[in-house]
Amino acid sequence: DQQVKQNSPSLSVQEGRISILNCDYTNSMFDYFLWYKKYPAEGPTFLISISSIKDKNEDGRFTVFLNKSAKHLSLHIVPSQPGDSAVYFCAASAGMLTFGGGTRLMVKP
Amino acid sequence: GAGVSQSPRYKVAKRGQDVALRCDPISGHVSLFWYQQALGQGPEFLTYFQNEAQLDKSGLPSDRFFAERPEGSVSTLKIQRTQQEDSAVYLCASSLGTGVGQPQHFGDGTRLSIL
Repeated sequence: DQQVKQNSPSLSVQEGRISILNCDYTNSMFDYFLWYKKYPAEGPTFLISISSIKDKNEDGRFTVFLNKSAKHLSLHIVPSQPGDSAVYFCAASAGMLTFGGGTRLMVKP
Repeated sequence: GAGVSQSPRYKVAKRGQDVALRCDPISGHVSLFWYQQALGQGPEFLTYFQNEAQLDKSGLPSDRFFAERPEGSVSTLKIQRTQQEDSAVYLCASSLGTGVGQPQHFGDGTRLSIL
């Protein structure tokens, strides 16, 4: 029973355009959501987070949107850069983190 | 270094052997987590320490898995009588406090292969 799902295993975007990564969750008890970026052979790196009391959080090129009624969050990266190519995990917290399966983002020059 | 350090980076063991994986969290971080990541999947929670106290071990898949953090800093994850299904990347993470909103900082993991 996957409580956090990333339904797109991969996404390809042209450099300079917007990347939108999506995540759905089922557990209403989650009260904090995070996005992590992972390069091969490295551990996940924290990117951005959002509390359940907010619907948007922005940090430079990265914006996370939370729609609690739909139990959906998304990460927007604009403009996308080739160095953004990595696997992105969303995670939900009610204490420990519950991760989605990841989306591989490829930004083409 | 200032980050979470895990050793060894790679471990190959024969089925039935015992293994021990080490995690050095960021200095001063109260919370320490262990995760297991199978190929092509997201990390899955194994266990959580607050200082030296193991507060949650609900994710440990069997009684062959044991974790400790005796002095509230370095932690060891031990797997006894390893099986092929134990092959995975084991990730350790630490966070400064105990609040839900504290981001967890991950090490690069130990890739365990059981032959």
